[in-house]
Amino acid sequence: LAKTTQPISMDSYEGQEVNITCSHNNIATNDYITWYQQFPSQGPRFIIQGYKTKVTNEVASLFIPADRKSSTLSLPRVSLSDTAVYYCLVGDTDSWGKLQFGAGTQVVVTP
Amino acid sequence: NAGVTQTPKFRVLKTGQSMTLLCAQDMNHEYMYWYRQDPGMGLRLIHYSVGEGTTAKGEVPDGYNVSRLKKQNFLLGLESAAPSQTSVYFCASSSTDSSIKTQYFGPGTRLLVL
Repeated sequence: LAKTTQPISMDSYEGQEVNITCSHNNIATNDYITWYQQFPSQGPRFIIQGYKTKVTNEVASLFIPADRKSSTLSLPRVSLSDTAVYYCLVGDTDSWGKLQFGAGTQVVVTP
Repeated sequence: NAGVTQTPKFRVLKTGQSMTLLCAQDMNHEYMYWYRQDPGMGLRLIHYSVGEGTTAKGEVPDGYNVSRLKKQNFLLGLESAAPSQTSVYFCASSSTDSSIKTQYFGPGTRLLVL
C-alpha cells in the first residue's frame, strides 16, 4: 500500500484558509483517499473522502491531481476550534484491511 | 446511539500480565478494527474483522489476539504484555452499505505497561 507523507505541523490565524498536502507517490488504481480530524483524548473523526478530482462538503474540500500522487485537504476560514491533528489515509477499495494512515499534521489556529 | 465504545479507558499493566480490551458498536456495522496510536506514527492497524466470527491480521498483529464472537463486539487481547505495547488503542467500525468508506472511532484506551 502507498506510503503516506504529510507535514508534521502547520500554523494559521483565524479566518485564513489552511491547505494540508499528503504525498502518496505509490498510490494504486484502486486506492481511495480519506482525511480524518482528531482532537486530544478523542478518536479520529471523518472529514472527507475522494478518489480523483475535487470533492467538497460542508466543512472541507479535497483536491486530487490527475496523477493522484498527492492530495490536499483545504479548510476554509479556520477558527480556533479547528486546532487538531489531521490524518491522511490511503485505502484499498477492494480490501478493507489494506490501509495506511499518515503520521498526522498538527494544525494550530491562533487569534 | 452510543456509537463506538471502548472499555476500559485507562489501564496500567506489569510486564507479563494479560488483559482484554473490549470494543462495542451499536450501528450494526459489519467491519471492525483495532489500531494502536504512538507519537509520530499515526494509527497502525493491528487486526480487523469483516464480520462475526472472522478476523484478519493488519500491519502490526504480533503480540495481540482478537475475537469477534458477536457482531457488535470486537475484543483485543494481550496475552503477555510488554513495555513496547504501551500505546493508545482505538477501535473503529464501518458499514458496507455506503460507497464512502467511513470509519467511526471509539474514544480510545490508554495502556501503560511497566
